[in-house]
Amino acid sequence: DAGVTQSPTHLIKTRGQQVTLRCSPKSGHDTVSWYQQALGQGPQFIFQYYEEEERQRGNFPDRFSGHQFPNYSSELNVNALLLGDSALYLCASSQKAPKFIPEAFFGQGTRLTVV
Amino acid sequence: AQSVTQLGSHVSVSEGALVLLRCNYSSSVPPYLFWYVQYPNQGLQLLLKYTSAATLVKGINGFEAEFKKSETSFHLTKPSAHMSDAAEYFCAVSDTGGFKTIFGAGTRLFVKA
Repeated sequence: DAGVTQSPTHLIKTRGQQVTLRCSPKSGHDTVSWYQQALGQGPQFIFQYYEEEERQRGNFPDRFSGHQFPNYSSELNVNALLLGDSALYLCASSQKAPKFIPEAFFGQGTRLTVV
Repeated sequence: AQSVTQLGSHVSVSEGALVLLRCNYSSSVPPYLFWYVQYPNQGLQLLLKYTSAATLVKGINGFEAEFKKSETSFHLTKPSAHMSDAAEYFCAVSDTGGFKTIFGAGTRLFVKA
């Protein structure tokens, strides 16, 4: 079992650019959540995808968008990058069906640096 | 709205001493509660979870936590600290549908030899 995999591991972008981060959930999981973790802080919930729809969203602007594919993998897109978007982006997967399992399993994260 | 407060951004203990990391939560419904550990430049690893079964929950690496509804607390303990326990620890609360998990700010544990 490969667990949750994220790509790329590191990324450097320029202000104003757009970025796409990718996540493959743990085998058997159908739900993907994305978090932003700034240096020295706890993960902040961005949004969750289940059945290819955004189910919940945290306090993030519309510049942050996502997608879930039929194979349950997911993408996080950030437009018009700001310096403040520099952070570790974590993907977490969990299972709602056929049996609900509440705990999430995390990937290693993508370190995004905006210059 | 759900929230989590972790008391103490840094905790320092000697090797072999008791570890106590404090967490208080706010939730309008019985929540799911979790403790995660994060090592530098890595993702989060689940230590243990509370899902309304036993109030004393045992996790990996000798950690345990006790759910106290009257105190809205879910403190993490380990009887004897090991150098390898040095890491960042996060308490988290989730709604019953698992749609949104809120994390605390974290507590960095230092273990002195």
